[in-house]
Amino acid sequence: AQSVAQPEDQVNVAEGNPLTVKCTYSVSGNPYLFWYVQYPNRGLQFLLKYITGDNLVKGSYGFEAEFNKSQTSFHLKKPSALVSDSALYFCAVREIGGGADGLTFGKGTHLIIQP
Amino acid sequence: NAGVTQTPKFQVLKTGQSMTLQCAQDMNHEYMSWYRQDPGMGLRLIHYSVGAGITDQGEVPNGYNVSRSTTEDFPLRLLSAAPSQTSVYFCASRGAGGGRSTDTQYFGPGTRLTVL
Repeated sequence: AQSVAQPEDQVNVAEGNPLTVKCTYSVSGNPYLFWYVQYPNRGLQFLLKYITGDNLVKGSYGFEAEFNKSQTSFHLKKPSALVSDSALYFCAVREIGGGADGLTFGKGTHLIIQP
Repeated sequence: NAGVTQTPKFQVLKTGQSMTLQCAQDMNHEYMSWYRQDPGMGLRLIHYSVGAGITDQGEVPNGYNVSRSTTEDFPLRLLSAAPSQTSVYFCASRGAGGGRSTDTQYFGPGTRLTVL
């Protein structure tokens, strides 16, 4: 079975500072990894994904994430936070060649950027 | 393209009532899924479909039925609503075949369901 852990319910960062939202995963084989963002009363918006290749993945709105196979992690990062980055962030995994389609999500991390 | 659309946006039901949540996509995607989102639990997969006429269960299928008669539509049926089904429901779709772009799931805006 696959699983995702987001160890922090909430992350607080001052505007202009770098931010990191943590994610670790567990799959039997090789993973597809994703980050999504959800603004209040909205659906999920795709930020970035790791399939294969370069371990550093760049996505929308200046976000990036680094795939670390040995630590089974896929942390989301941004060099300089904006107040508008405040939202709920989800990490998700799907095992390559796994049985069920669909994604397994973490519980989400509230990111709060303080002016 | 409208992407993934869902209706209704909001719904209130009484225990025991039935209803259908509608989902449609205009991207010719083969794969479609239904999730429910509950506070502090992330999104959990209810049912999914890998093409017209083919559906399967996800993590939390009890109390829900699906069918896929066309590529575009993937309705979710609540047979006899229970308060435990109060949640926000999201439909998603993705393409199939080769290529990295086919692996991204695109989500609809959601349906907020309350069962009294």
